[in-house]
Amino acid sequence: ELKVEQNPLFLSMQEGKNYTIYCNYSTTSDRLYWYRQDPGKSLESLFVLLSNGAVKQEGRLMASLDTKARLSTLHITAAVHDLSATYFCAGAGNTDKLIFGTGTRLQVFP
Amino acid sequence: KAGVTQTPRYLIKTRGQQVTLSCSPISGHRSVSWYQQTPGQGLQFLFEYFSETQRNKGNFPGRFSGRQFSNSRSEMNVSTLELGDSALYLCASSLTGGQPQHFGDGTRLSIL
Repeated sequence: ELKVEQNPLFLSMQEGKNYTIYCNYSTTSDRLYWYRQDPGKSLESLFVLLSNGAVKQEGRLMASLDTKARLSTLHITAAVHDLSATYFCAGAGNTDKLIFGTGTRLQVFP
Repeated sequence: KAGVTQTPRYLIKTRGQQVTLSCSPISGHRSVSWYQQTPGQGLQFLFEYFSETQRNKGNFPGRFSGRQFSNSRSEMNVSTLELGDSALYLCASSLTGGQPQHFGDGTRLSIL
């Protein structure tokens, strides 16, 4: 069964710095998702990655997928406080059964 | 376009009781999935319904059940509530499955 591991669990970073969140998965996953969750809120879809080499960017966030390495990354460029949230990656087969990583709690400070 | 609507938003129950949570998907979406989120176990898949049929099921005891109606609205039921059932229950919908899921705001269930 698909397993998804995410690291780091916690990330405290200064505004303006760059960092990467890693998401490894154990078996073939048809799709890889990234979600954002603010405290007390629901999950907001950020990216869906479908194929090897896929790269998607939105503002200061860029997600990529390497299916051979079974690795997805979420890169944060020049972090700002508004990016503080918990970020989840999730894998899925050909169904809607999402398997989530543990989440990365990101805190951006001045 | 209205998003995924979950009711109620908050619920307090005692051990041994049962509870029913409701989810109205985005109009036109036929796949509805349920997830449980707890600090200890994270986000875990409960089940998925499509066209009134359970299509996938997670590793939860039989106390957790669900159903989907012909208008795609879904309910999940938890019987004989235990303290460990305290969680945020999230519902998500997609067009037919295999597409990005849109999540509701969740129902926060507290068991006393």
